[in-house]
Amino acid sequence: EPEVTQTPSHQVTQMGQEVILRCVPISNHLYFYWYRQILGQKVEFLVSFYNNEISEKSEIFDDQFSVERPDGSNFTLKIRSTKLEDSAMYFCASQNRGFRETQYFGPGTRLLVL
Amino acid sequence: GESVGLHLPTLSVQEGDNSIINCAYSNSASDYFIWYKQESGKGPQFIIDIRSNMDKRQGQRVTVLLNKTVKHLSLQIAATQPGDSAVYFCAENPGGTSYGKLTFGQGTILTVHP
Repeated sequence: EPEVTQTPSHQVTQMGQEVILRCVPISNHLYFYWYRQILGQKVEFLVSFYNNEISEKSEIFDDQFSVERPDGSNFTLKIRSTKLEDSAMYFCASQNRGFRETQYFGPGTRLLVL
Repeated sequence: GESVGLHLPTLSVQEGDNSIINCAYSNSASDYFIWYKQESGKGPQFIIDIRSNMDKRQGQRVTVLLNKTVKHLSLQIAATQPGDSAVYFCAENPGGTSYGKLTFGQGTILTVHP
């Protein structure tokens, strides 16, 4: 069964450093998302991406965040200058035909900012 | 602001019992609802969804009920098994111009005792 994959599974970085989190969505999916989950809290929407542009973003997704689909298979989330409060689990999700269809989530990347 | 929330943060049941997990939502414009299961260290796993033009939908051992009058969503799991132990999240798509953004509830921890 096709699934969303994410790398790395864990990432430790120093405050102020740049990180890139990578996702490979399900191959025929057209809509892509990043969510995050701070430990013990609910999953929060960050950004949606369709047709090579951002469809919607949350207040969390400030100028330090960017997304890219560089090669037609990968979908990346970049944090330019990490802060302590960026420590969280980051989930990528993809979706097939439209915004009211099932979103399938990857296993997540656990980011720890020291 | 509008949000999706859960009535019960924890639920403990015996193996073989039926489980009911509840969720209240406040956005009357929401038109798509999903239940996700999250096991420790993993991403949310799709269980079942329902659109606002339905009030009940059944899957394998799971049933989702939607009561739009009181803005309430429930997940029923029949013959609960130890493998069902996880955190269960309801999520809503607010509709309108929200594209695919999902708003998640806080989560209910389901523990199934053998």
